[in-house]
Amino acid sequence: GEDVEQSLFLSVREGDSSVINCTYTDSSSTYLYWYKQEPGAGLQLLTYIFSNMDMKQDQRLTVLLNKKDKHLSLRIADTQTGDSAIYFCAEIVSYNTDKLIFGTGTRLQVFP
Amino acid sequence: GAVVSQHPSRVICKSGTSVKIECRSLDFQATTMFWYRQFPKKSLMLMATSNEGSKATYEQGVEKDKFLINHASLTLSTLTVTSAHPEDSSFYICSARLRLAGVHQETQYFGPGTRLLVL
Repeated sequence: GEDVEQSLFLSVREGDSSVINCTYTDSSSTYLYWYKQEPGAGLQLLTYIFSNMDMKQDQRLTVLLNKKDKHLSLRIADTQTGDSAIYFCAEIVSYNTDKLIFGTGTRLQVFP
Repeated sequence: GAVVSQHPSRVICKSGTSVKIECRSLDFQATTMFWYRQFPKKSLMLMATSNEGSKATYEQGVEKDKFLINHASLTLSTLTVTSAHPEDSSFYICSARLRLAGVHQETQYFGPGTRLLVL
């Protein structure tokens, strides 16, 4: 079955890099996503990666995909207090279903 | 960017009443919208997939008579929680799938969510 796991909590100092990890079980994932959720709000799409890619960089964000180990990570460079939020990874396992399977979410706390 | 709105943002109702939540895609047409439920400090659980002009597809364990979904136009889907009970209290989030030339067609854009409290 589909299962997406994340560590629950990450705390970093402002200015440092943050790395949020995600593991998934379904090897037929086609697209993998990172979403950000601020308190009491909906989800904001941060970035996505196609399963045939290893890395994608978008300004302060770097996504790494290890398909062999079914491991996805999101690196945030120069983390700011405004980055404090819950980060969800999500996957689509089949092109036609469009069904997003969400991870458990990682709460990122940035302190001064 | 693609904007999805939800209304209301927060609703408190008495047990036994019905509540309607609207999800609108403001600057694009969405043939498919999705409804999620999020429990406190938990991940999102897909409830149903809403297709314009046809019946919604519900996930296993979601009562279709309890959670009525209507997708009457390309920009509006509604979720009605019928005869709401305290256990229906939750954060409900919708998303709309954007399909445009040059845009990654699998992308879902999310609304800001509706917090429902049933007393």
